Amino acid sequence: DAKTTQPNSMESNEEEPVHLPCNHSTISGTDYIHWYRQLPSQGPEYVIHGLTSNVNNRMASLAIAEDRKSSTLILHRATLRDAAVYYCILRDVNTNAGKSTFGDGTTLTVKP
Amino acid sequence: GAGVSQTPSNKVTEKGKYVELRCDPISGHTALYWYRQSLGQGPEFLIYFQGTGAADDSGLPNDRFFAVRPEGSVSTLKIQRTERGDSAVYLCASSLASGPLNTQYFGPGTRLTVL
Repeated sequence: DAKTTQPNSMESNEEEPVHLPCNHSTISGTDYIHWYRQLPSQGPEYVIHGLTSNVNNRMASLAIAEDRKSSTLILHRATLRDAAVYYCILRDVNTNAGKSTFGDGTTLTVKP
Repeated sequence: GAGVSQTPSNKVTEKGKYVELRCDPISGHTALYWYRQSLGQGPEFLIYFQGTGAADDSGLPNDRFFAVRPEGSVSTLKIQRTERGDSAVYLCASSLASGPLNTQYFGPGTRLTVL
């Protein structure tokens, strides 16, 4: 699986936007970019995924660079409940039938 | 609707003992995954089932680890001769079908402590 690189930690103030970066310079053309997050003492939960175009859903937005070598998860207004570890994962539609390969993610701290 | 459930939530055992961890996936989900998560790290893939069969067991660390899903629903992860290094949170996930475009829904995990 292609690897992803994320900062270990980030801080944000409540009600401000948060931009969580992910580098994936070895991404292949068939890799989808997925984001999951893990709240304290819970299992990971799906946030969003995309291939080439930017994506929006009720939780977040995903901005994908034109060369696809990086992406950014955007939380438009951070709340205290958004404090979690955020994982950026690549999943290849051709070769990756099941598993997700998690890195160590970015720990987001939200300050009131 | 009900999510993925895992039992027990906590398990403390002694080195050398045998343990079973249970996962109840979301009803109708054909794919089921087991991951292991050590403190401060991301989840590590162990094994994945499509229906009753193990489609990918490449993440099982050694032959002390075994998992079954006999009826294509509930799955049990079995660990023989437990070692202190097996201490971790064991996560189960399920998805409607296999393939990377299917969202994986995770349970809360079982925290295993080997003394």
